[in-house]
Amino acid sequence: DTAVSQTPKYLVTQMGNDKSIKCEQNLGHDTMYWYKQDSKKFLKIMFSYNNKELIINETVPNRFSPKSPDKAHLNLHINSLELGDSAVYFCASSQEWAGGNYGYTFGSGTRLTVV
Amino acid sequence: GESVGLHLPTLSVQEGDNSIINCAYSNSASDYFIWYKQESGKGPQFIIDIRSNMDKRQGQRVTVLLNKTVKHLSLQIAATQPGDSAVYFCAEIRNQGGKLIFGQGTELSVKP
Repeated sequence: DTAVSQTPKYLVTQMGNDKSIKCEQNLGHDTMYWYKQDSKKFLKIMFSYNNKELIINETVPNRFSPKSPDKAHLNLHINSLELGDSAVYFCASSQEWAGGNYGYTFGSGTRLTVV
Repeated sequence: GESVGLHLPTLSVQEGDNSIINCAYSNSASDYFIWYKQESGKGPQFIIDIRSNMDKRQGQRVTVLLNKTVKHLSLQIAATQPGDSAVYFCAEIRNQGGKLIFGQGTELSVKP
């Protein structure tokens, strides 16, 4: 069983469209994240949710809206897609313990290409 | 072979040699560090971690060294194999909020 699974793996869409990426984790972790990896492989955190509540919201355009229906799912909806949104998006989860977050586990990524 | 992280994002080594991948972290308040391996088309995969109260930790064929004085982290891979070819990232967790911050990756290429 895949611990953190994302769908779709590849997404090609036109500028201006709205799209969603889904993520599910079966590790029982409390916290989930979205990371963006650019063409230079740099990984940057976008959002963090803990038990369905938004904890971290980095400087991300409000065209990006995460939604967590329960603590095992964190979806990412993107409105009015732009060329610069092309990247690989990774979902991750971690377990809260002793005041910190550990056991970060990543999904296999969604490669978004905006044309 | 050895890299200096930000200045040498690629490292090429011969199969069987030892590899050293370096990383400089930014925040002296960081208290937990992780090395990840990312193969093509996959997500980052945990390799080894170390807490700030340790200087060295060993795993299977891998060793992480932490120098808090100069805020430097290194990953040593013994007897590097073709399957070790990947991009390697160091990451730090700061003691507030548990946000995992990645450093710049280093691409390791192993020549047979």
